[in-house]
Amino acid sequence: DADVTQTPRNRITKTGKRIMLECSQTKGHDRMYWYRQDPGLGLQLIYYSFDVKDINKGEISDGYSVSRQAQAKFSLSLESAIPNQTALYFCATSEGDREAGELFFGEGSRLTVL
Amino acid sequence: GQNIDQPTEMTATEGAIVQINCTYQTSGFNGLFWYQQHAGEAPTFLSYNVLDGLEEKGRFSSFLSRSKGYSYLLLKELQMKDSASYLCAVSDSNYQLIWGAGTKLIIKP
Repeated sequence: DADVTQTPRNRITKTGKRIMLECSQTKGHDRMYWYRQDPGLGLQLIYYSFDVKDINKGEISDGYSVSRQAQAKFSLSLESAIPNQTALYFCATSEGDREAGELFFGEGSRLTVL
Repeated sequence: GQNIDQPTEMTATEGAIVQINCTYQTSGFNGLFWYQQHAGEAPTFLSYNVLDGLEEKGRFSSFLSRSKGYSYLLLKELQMKDSASYLCAVSDSNYQLIWGAGTKLIIKP
């Protein structure tokens, strides 16, 4: 089984719908991240969390919200999806400062907003 | 602003050597990472450089020059399974990763 698991893996929805992407991990890492990936662009950080009580906005947080339900769970919500949120979304985990860049990614959630 | 540049696409022949370059301009530097990403899959960690010089790991090596804001990933004895995108990322002064758009490497027989 994967150490970082994302659900759903694929989702097609309509404009205006609320969508939640879930992430769970068994690596025991405190740090969790949500990224989106678009063709021709680098990974963009949406939100990150260094522990259950610590949530931080990334570079593209508008239109998104997150919840850190437990050390192992970090969910991403789109309150009212729009077509330009169509992308591949990755959850990732990491350990401390030096290892902050060594990320362990989930398999990705492909979201299409019509 | 912060910027990571790497070629969009490269083609190489099975058994050969290829060098993928990455140049960066960031606010602070706490290391440079290379990740491999096969199509439709998650990125996976390849290497980390924080000091100048060459880090070798099997068929893959990564080089860093902090004064030049430059790194390269060297892949030797190319295999078909090396066809993938290679992502360069720099950890800035806040330990946030700044990502390049990736280099798609195509291996031909």
